[in-house]
Amino acid sequence: SQQGEEDPQALSIQEGENATMNCSYKTSINNLQWYRQNSGRGLVHLILIRSNEREKHSGRLRVTLDTSKKSSSLLITASRAADTASYFCATDDRVGGGFKTIFGAGTRLFVKA
Amino acid sequence: DAGITQSPRYKITETGRQVTLMCHQTWSHSYMFWYRQDLGHGLRLIYYSAAADITDKGEVPDGYVVSRSKTENFPLTLESATRSQTSVYFCASSEYPGAADGYTFGSGTRLTVV
Repeated sequence: SQQGEEDPQALSIQEGENATMNCSYKTSINNLQWYRQNSGRGLVHLILIRSNEREKHSGRLRVTLDTSKKSSSLLITASRAADTASYFCATDDRVGGGFKTIFGAGTRLFVKA
Repeated sequence: DAGITQSPRYKITETGRQVTLMCHQTWSHSYMFWYRQDLGHGLRLIYYSAAADITDKGEVPDGYVVSRSKTENFPLTLESATRSQTSVYFCASSEYPGAADGYTFGSGTRLTVV
């Protein structure tokens, strides 16, 4: 079963605007990660936020985590055409004694120049 | 070059054939993973490995076999390919789940089963 689910599925904005993507999950987590995937490429790790953290920044990225609502958001400020990509949240899931990362279906972001 | 490489980049095979997708990492990461990516499903975990000779099933392991005799290699074998296994396959590695720098992904193998 998928742990993280992103919202919206697709987002189209103008260059310079901010883009916000949300992720909801179902069970307790140790951490939540965000990844970017450009078309036809592998995923690239953006940021990891731990369950005891509420907010984290990295350059133009801001991630928040609300464990009471089991949700996270990724904010990209002052978006650029190069930010056009799919964005995935990923949460750790314990299955059968193992410890694995489960990805959501992603949000497709299109930034118009 | 350091990193994670997958081969082949593209593969077309016939139903019923055995095919092996290769994954090689130079980070000396303990953990390695195989995911498949299909439209509408995101990434689904097939198998993972916590160390050499230690492997475990993910969400969708049926029809796949893995091995990990060396830390740096984690091949994925489709024993008898089916059309439903047409997908993009990604290999990833990490020091451990939850490491601050996350997973490092390969560029993927686009597999078509005809």
